[in-house]
Amino acid sequence: GQQLNQSPQSMFIQEGEDVSMNCTSSSIFNTWLWYKQDPGEGPVLLIALYKAGELTSNGRLTAQFGITRKDSFLNISASIPSDVGIYFCAGLQAGNNRKLIWGLGTSLAVNP
Amino acid sequence: GAVVSQHPSWVICKSGTSVKIECRSLDFQATTMFWYRQFPKQSLMLMATSNEGSKATYEQGVEKDKFLINHASLTLSTLTVTSAHPEDSSFYICSATGGNGYTFGSGTRLTVV
Repeated sequence: GQQLNQSPQSMFIQEGEDVSMNCTSSSIFNTWLWYKQDPGEGPVLLIALYKAGELTSNGRLTAQFGITRKDSFLNISASIPSDVGIYFCAGLQAGNNRKLIWGLGTSLAVNP
Repeated sequence: GAVVSQHPSWVICKSGTSVKIECRSLDFQATTMFWYRQFPKQSLMLMATSNEGSKATYEQGVEKDKFLINHASLTLSTLTVTSAHPEDSSFYICSATGGNGYTFGSGTRLTVV
């Protein structure tokens, strides 16, 4: 099935560093969602974006809905060990308001 | 907030047996539920979409006779893996939406031996 281009695939950083990851698509999306998944758990929603250009924060997390509606990024500032996990972007395409399209995930490791 | 309960969290079964996984929306009515399968270090793969009271819509390549989905009420959907084989071993995750976004269950680890 269709998937979003998510990068980087993995990151290994030092505690306190900032992190940035992004997702791109060749088609237009109406909604961008960012999830975090811990091992053996389901994804948990971090940030939801509904409008082009929208910039939304959730604590140390900030995400933006790209102006072209074909991309989104997620930033994590001042990373801490509990930020470890896999981050997924997901989106809803224009004309399809039910089935989420997923990125392949970014695996984040934080060295204390 | 919206909560989805998925049960069991893990199950081990013998080849040839069937396993049922339940997904319940605890504090909202889920008009649509989704069932995903996830292999290690991979993304979520949508298996099927189900609406309350109607037949599920399966993604291409997913055997509907093997993965039976029932969505009998607005708060409960079940996935039954019939005649399970070792290759069916995976992490299965449900998601429910009721107009307030997508909420995910905690997943079920199925191991077929």
